[in-house]
Amino acid sequence: GAGVSQSPRYKVAKRGQDVALRCDPISGHVSLFWYQQALGQGPEFLTYFQNEAQLDKSGLPSDRFFAERPEGSVSTLKIQRTQQEDSAVYLCASSFGLDNYEQYFGPGTRLTVT
Amino acid sequence: AQSVAQPEDQVNVAEGNPLTVKCTYSVSGNPYLFWYVQYPNRGLQFLLKYITGDNLVKGSYGFEAEFNKSQTSFHLKKPSALVSDSALYFCAVRVNYGGATNKLIFGTGTLLAVQP
Repeated sequence: GAGVSQSPRYKVAKRGQDVALRCDPISGHVSLFWYQQALGQGPEFLTYFQNEAQLDKSGLPSDRFFAERPEGSVSTLKIQRTQQEDSAVYLCASSFGLDNYEQYFGPGTRLTVT
Repeated sequence: AQSVAQPEDQVNVAEGNPLTVKCTYSVSGNPYLFWYVQYPNRGLQFLLKYITGDNLVKGSYGFEAEFNKSQTSFHLKKPSALVSDSALYFCAVRVNYGGATNKLIFGTGTLLAVQP
């Protein structure tokens, strides 16, 4: 079956531009996560949705980062006024249930801010 | 604070030899532990998990992991390495605060290099 998809796969933005990253989770998956992976590092948690409710946004690094999942399916991560330190791979993951279930990751969006 | 440590940046092993990738954790409460593998320019692929039950967990591609509560470890193992196993491996622990989050905390990763 179809896995988690993300678009675009690559994004180059000039410093100060706004970007929007899209995630299509596996159909029927209740939970959706965003992670940020810097070069040579493990993924770091950004935010978590349970259906359309954003239950945890403790990992968002600043108020320039905003995520939404209005209908409990597709999610968008928006970064306003991008900075060079935002350059990273942004990973989306989804999982079927609320407990015990492994997360399935998309291929990621590589954001480069110049 | 909950954390995961992968003490080795890189592990080198000859094809056909057994491999071990180490992971230790620090959590409050019962740990939910995971291993993921990442190939270049691809997302993370789930390998296996420990939630409860048998300490030896079997997963995809012939990998297994042993949960050791007294040593707070969850090492990844495979009896016979393949060149195609060469990739970046991440250990992770799930954080759950009464359902308010289910985020994963990842280690820094271990690069496995299998020489032919």
